[in-house]
Amino acid sequence: DQQVKQNSPSLSVQEGRISILNCDYTNSMFDYFLWYKKYPAEGPTFLISISSIKDKNEDGRFTVFLNKSAKHLSLHIVPSQPGDSAVYFCAASGSNFGNEKLTFGTGTRLTIIP
Amino acid sequence: KAGVTQTPRYLIKTRGQQVTLSCSPISGHRSVSWYQQTPGQGLQFLFEYFSETQRNKGNFPGRFSGRQFSNSRSEMNVSTLELGDSALYLCASSADVPLVVNEQFFGPGTRLTVL
Repeated sequence: DQQVKQNSPSLSVQEGRISILNCDYTNSMFDYFLWYKKYPAEGPTFLISISSIKDKNEDGRFTVFLNKSAKHLSLHIVPSQPGDSAVYFCAASGSNFGNEKLTFGTGTRLTIIP
Repeated sequence: KAGVTQTPRYLIKTRGQQVTLSCSPISGHRSVSWYQQTPGQGLQFLFEYFSETQRNKGNFPGRFSGRQFSNSRSEMNVSTLELGDSALYLCASSADVPLVVNEQFFGPGTRLTVL
C-alpha cells in the first residue's frame, strides 16, 4: 500500500520556466513533509520541508505548497535550471522529530531542456 | 565534516548467498536508517538504529537484519539472497536532537546485484 504517491514518473520542462512536481498522500497522520533531490550515483539530498501547520514554505527558487484537505503537496521550481535535472522524491513522516521514519514516494524524474 | 559513507559501493552476489553492507554516519550523528531503492518502488524503509537499538522497522522479511555499534557505525545483512533483492541500498544518518528538525543525510548507496 503506497501511502505517498508521485503519479508522474517523469516531467520535462524548458529552462527558465516553472517546474511543478506533485505528491499525494493517504495517511492523515502524516504531519511533516519533505522533498529530496537525487542525482545518479549519489544519495538523495534534502531540499525543502513543510510542517502541516503551514500551507507554504519558500527557499530561494523552491517553494512547497501543502493542501491538507486534499492530502496533496507540490514543489515549484522557478526558474528551472539545467542543474535541476534529477529525480525528486517526496517524503512524509508523523512529525519532524528524529525518531520518526520517513515514507517516500516513487520519485519523479525531472529533465530541464536547455 | 565528512558525509555518510557506505561500503562497498557495488556488490555482485548469487542467489542463496548472504551479504553485509556497512554505513558510517556523519560524526556526531546517532541515528542511522536503511532504505531499499528499486525502480517503481521508490525508497522503502528497512529499519532505523539509535544508540545501538533498533528503534523503527519497516515491512521486510526477517532475512533483512541490521545492527549498530557503539561508534554509531551500522551494518545491514541480507541472508539467503533472492533475485528481487537486487537494489540500491541507502543509508541515512541524522543528529536526532530533541525538538529540532532532523533532516536525514544520505550516503551514496551500495548497488547490490543478485544473479
